[in-house]
Amino acid sequence: KQEVTQIPAALSVPEGENLVLNCSFTDSAIYNLQWFRQDPGKGLTSLLLIQSSQREQTSGRLNASLDKSSGRSTLYIAASQPGDSATYLCAVRDTNAGKSTFGDGTTLTVKP
Amino acid sequence: NAGVTQTPKFRVLKTGQSMTLLCAQDMNHEYMYWYRQDPGMGLRLIHYSVGEGTTAKGEVPDGYNVSRLKKQNFLLGLESAAPSQTSVYFCASRTAYEQYFGPGTRLTVT
Repeated sequence: KQEVTQIPAALSVPEGENLVLNCSFTDSAIYNLQWFRQDPGKGLTSLLLIQSSQREQTSGRLNASLDKSSGRSTLYIAASQPGDSATYLCAVRDTNAGKSTFGDGTTLTVKP
Repeated sequence: NAGVTQTPKFRVLKTGQSMTLLCAQDMNHEYMYWYRQDPGMGLRLIHYSVGEGTTAKGEVPDGYNVSRLKKQNFLLGLESAAPSQTSVYFCASRTAYEQYFGPGTRLTVT
């Protein structure tokens, strides 16, 4: 059974700092990995999607990398802003059944 | 293009009552999912559907039923609500690659 872990559970940084969020998974036979953002009381918004054949994806100040062999993905946020404050979740989809396993998320606070 | 919508947004039920949560998507996606999100337990899959007329059990299906009579709609039913079903419920649909989530339904069972 796939297990997804996100460390740290919470992170507080000053505005302007570059930061890295981590996602690890136990079964490397994945189809893709998706990073989401969740604001309090809201749904999940997709940030980046990495297919299993890809090593990284970039969107604006966000960069996500994938290392299947080590079972890890990182989400890099450059020049953090208070508006980046949210919970960030990663989801790993398995190859066959098309179901996703979610991590518990990292709650990020960016202080002005 | 509204994406994924859910109704209602909030609901309070008494133990033993029944209700249906509606999820609708206008993106012509085949796959649809119902999740529940609880503090400390993350997102857990309740039921899912791989196309119109199909449903399958997820990780925590007990106490819930689903139907997918139309491609754009996925209904989640609680026949006899229990306090353990107090949660935030999210619906999602997906393309071959990416999942899209609805805004959620906050359900409290007293």
